[in-house]
Amino acid sequence: EDQVTQSPEALRLQEGESSSLNCSYTVSGLRGLFWYRQDPGKGPEFLFTLYSAGEEKEKERLKATLTKKESFLHITAPKPEDSATYLCAVESGGSYIPTFGRGTSLIVHP
Amino acid sequence: NAGVTQTPKFQVLKTGQSMTLQCAQDMNHEYMSWYRQDPGMGLRLIHYSVGAGITDQGEVPNGYNVSRSTTEDFPLRLLSAAPSQTSVYFCASRKQGEGTEAFFGQGTRLTVV
Repeated sequence: EDQVTQSPEALRLQEGESSSLNCSYTVSGLRGLFWYRQDPGKGPEFLFTLYSAGEEKEKERLKATLTKKESFLHITAPKPEDSATYLCAVESGGSYIPTFGRGTSLIVHP
Repeated sequence: NAGVTQTPKFQVLKTGQSMTLQCAQDMNHEYMSWYRQDPGMGLRLIHYSVGAGITDQGEVPNGYNVSRSTTEDFPLRLLSAAPSQTSVYFCASRKQGEGTEAFFGQGTRLTVV
């Protein structure tokens, strides 16, 4: 059974204070690790897919990295508009639908 | 391009009532799924479909039914609503293939009293 654990559950940052969110996973045969962003009252929105250890992807102030056991979402010089819940999910060889973690709620104060 | 459309956005039911949450996508995606999201619990998979006529259970299927008669539509039926089914429900669709992104609807906030 696929397992995804995200930490911390909540994170408060000052504007410009860089940090990282963690997603540790246990799967049999990783086919893809996903990061999504969810704003209050809305559905999740896709950010990245990572496929293999060592892969990195960037989008604006966000950078996602992947190892064989975990993924990090690095946020560089965050702005208040980066405040959201960030969800991690994994797709394995034994499933058609990704398994999601519980998310990290990020608040960036101006 | 509408993407994934869920209706209704809000619903209040009395215990024991039944209802159907609607989900439609216009992207010709093969995979569709229903999740519920509760505080501190993340997204939990209820049912999913890999194509018209094919459905399967997820992590928390009890009390819910689905069918997939067309590629576009994937309704979720609550058979006899219970207060434990109070939640926010999300429908998602994605194209078949490894690592393809999922597109989510805006959600249905359901309260069972």
